[in-house]
Amino acid sequence: EAQVTQNPRYLITVTGKKLTVTCSQNMNHEYMSWYRQDPGLGLRQIYYSMNVEVTDKGDVPEGYKVSRKEKRNFPLILESPSPNQTSLYFCASSLRAGRSEGEAFFGQGTRLTVV
Amino acid sequence: GNSVTQMEGPVTLSEEAFLTINCTYTATGYPSLFWYVQYPGEGLQLLLKATKADDKGSNKGFEATYRKETTSFHLEKGSVQVSDSAVYFCALSPEWGNTPLVFGKGTRLSVIA
Repeated sequence: EAQVTQNPRYLITVTGKKLTVTCSQNMNHEYMSWYRQDPGLGLRQIYYSMNVEVTDKGDVPEGYKVSRKEKRNFPLILESPSPNQTSLYFCASSLRAGRSEGEAFFGQGTRLTVV
Repeated sequence: GNSVTQMEGPVTLSEEAFLTINCTYTATGYPSLFWYVQYPGEGLQLLLKATKADDKGSNKGFEATYRKETTSFHLEKGSVQVSDSAVYFCALSPEWGNTPLVFGKGTRLSVIA
């Protein structure tokens, strides 16, 4: 089954404790991205990756890191989480970026709480 | 730049009512247009799409027509059900370049029996 898998689904952590949210897709997609969803703000893109070893900042990259060492995986790293990073996070992938390939597949989401 | 504006929610309807969620966009050229749906506790999933002017996307009783002259892609359904309660996102994929999807802020729909 074609899917994007994120883990964990729920995470409560303390300020400053490094964490990683994993994302994996089994569709051989080139393009992957991370979003955060906050009430009243909709979806905001954090980082994206056009392909292996190619990553770029989205709209709200501060406080986050990503890596793309393999095509299927795109982990989101919070080196020193802060309470303002409490949010619902989504990983997404698509065949490639651009007009005709814009359809994205989303993971189930990770609800992160930083206390 | 590229942007998507959709109507503010929440929208509350009775079962079997007619639904319209407005979406307008700003983009150069001919972007592809999408509606995504997010059911409670889940990720977004594609509901329907249209890739050129006057195309109509449809799925699960929902429809939207790509109107280039009004830069709109309004979502409609003739008779909503309680199970349609969700957040709906309008999105565009620009015609040129390797740029990512641009989303609207989402519209929450609640359907009551």
